[in-house]
Amino acid sequence: DAKTTQPTSMDCAEGRAANLPCNHSTISGNEYVYWYRQIHSQGPQYIIHGLKNNETNEMASLIITEDRKSSTLILPHATLRDTAVYYCIVSSPSRTDKLIFGTGTRLQVFP
Amino acid sequence: ETGVTQTPRHLVMGMTNKKSLKCEQHLGHNAMYWYKQSAKKPLELMFVYNFKEQTENNSVPSRFSPECPNSSHLFLHLHTLQPEDSALYLCASSQMQGLSGNTIYFGEGSWLTVV
Repeated sequence: DAKTTQPTSMDCAEGRAANLPCNHSTISGNEYVYWYRQIHSQGPQYIIHGLKNNETNEMASLIITEDRKSSTLILPHATLRDTAVYYCIVSSPSRTDKLIFGTGTRLQVFP
Repeated sequence: ETGVTQTPRHLVMGMTNKKSLKCEQHLGHNAMYWYKQSAKKPLELMFVYNFKEQTENNSVPSRFSPECPNSSHLFLHLHTLQPEDSALYLCASSQMQGLSGNTIYFGEGSWLTVV
């Protein structure tokens, strides 16, 4: 599975968009990009995933560059409850249970 | 609420005790998983069940014994554990193992402390 690189931490003002970047320059053609987050002491929460096209759901948007070497998770209107560690994971389609979480980005949303 | 419910949320047990962790999913999924998350370590996949059949045991010591009576329920039976087994144990489910674009949904986890 491809390795991902994320900033260690980011801050965002409440109500503003939070844009979390992820580099995955060694991604293979059939590997998906998944985003999860984990609030302290809780299980990881699925956010969104994509292969090539941009994706949007009720939680977030995922923007994948045309060369697929990087992506950005967008939380359009961050709230204090969005404070968490966000993980970008690249996974082969047949082994999406083999999730390698890495260190992620600690997003702090402030009032 | 993720649709995957784990009980108990917290468990303290002695090394000679026998206890069980329970997981139930309400998502209509056919695959269920046990993961272990220790402090300062990445998530470790322990067991995989697909349509009630165990398809993967990731070299887990025999003091951890999983049971999957049906596609909605998963247990992890614990006996003669060691203090280093203290961790967050996460249950998860997905539509089925090996499905392209499969999404794993996690429960809140069971915090286990072995004393």
